Amino acid sequence: DAGVIQSPRHEVTEMGQEVTLRCKPISGHDYLFWYRQTMMRGLELLIYFNNNVPIDDSGMPEDRFSAKMPNASFSTLKIQPSEPRDSAVYFCASSPRGGQNQPQHFGDGTRLSIL
Amino acid sequence: DQQVKQNSPSLSVQEGRISILNCDYTNSMFDYFLWYKKYPAEGPTFLISISSIKDKNEDGRFTVFLNKSAKHLSLHIVPSQPGDSAVYFCAASGAAGNKLTFGGGTRVLVKP
Repeated sequence: DAGVIQSPRHEVTEMGQEVTLRCKPISGHDYLFWYRQTMMRGLELLIYFNNNVPIDDSGMPEDRFSAKMPNASFSTLKIQPSEPRDSAVYFCASSPRGGQNQPQHFGDGTRLSIL
Repeated sequence: DQQVKQNSPSLSVQEGRISILNCDYTNSMFDYFLWYKKYPAEGPTFLISISSIKDKNEDGRFTVFLNKSAKHLSLHIVPSQPGDSAVYFCAASGAAGNKLTFGGGTRVLVKP
């Protein structure tokens, strides 16, 4: 079975540009999570969805960040405009119905570099 | 404020010996704990978990111990193998269920 698929794997862009990260969760999983990993802050939850509805976006750092889940098989995380401090590895994860206490399955991440 | 802490950033162990990774938490509302393993350029993969109603959970070479009074958990890997060399993250969730709070990770190196 395919795991969580993220694209692109690497993104290098200049400050001020719009960045869109994409995620396809595991089929049948009702929960989708976006994380960011940096040296300073470690792995932190940005936002999560249940059945395509955003449940908690308290981890989204600024209004420059937005996330959508138009359907059960696709989600995007957008940064506009991007800044050098947004450079990090961004992970998407999904978990099954009854997400509580269900392990989350992670994609391999998008390494984002903002110049 | 770091609610989940892994105070040892790295650990080196000889193949065949025991690896012990530690994790401390401060939030008494946490009731479910997980360990994830991460290789370079890959996402974290789930390893083992424990509910707060238990104090031990075992899965093959991996055992997690939970001491609720001390707000401390540990992961034991016995015997350690070179393929276990990775970064290990401790994570916790509480009443919110789905939100995981991660520790900073411990890099384990198993020497042949």
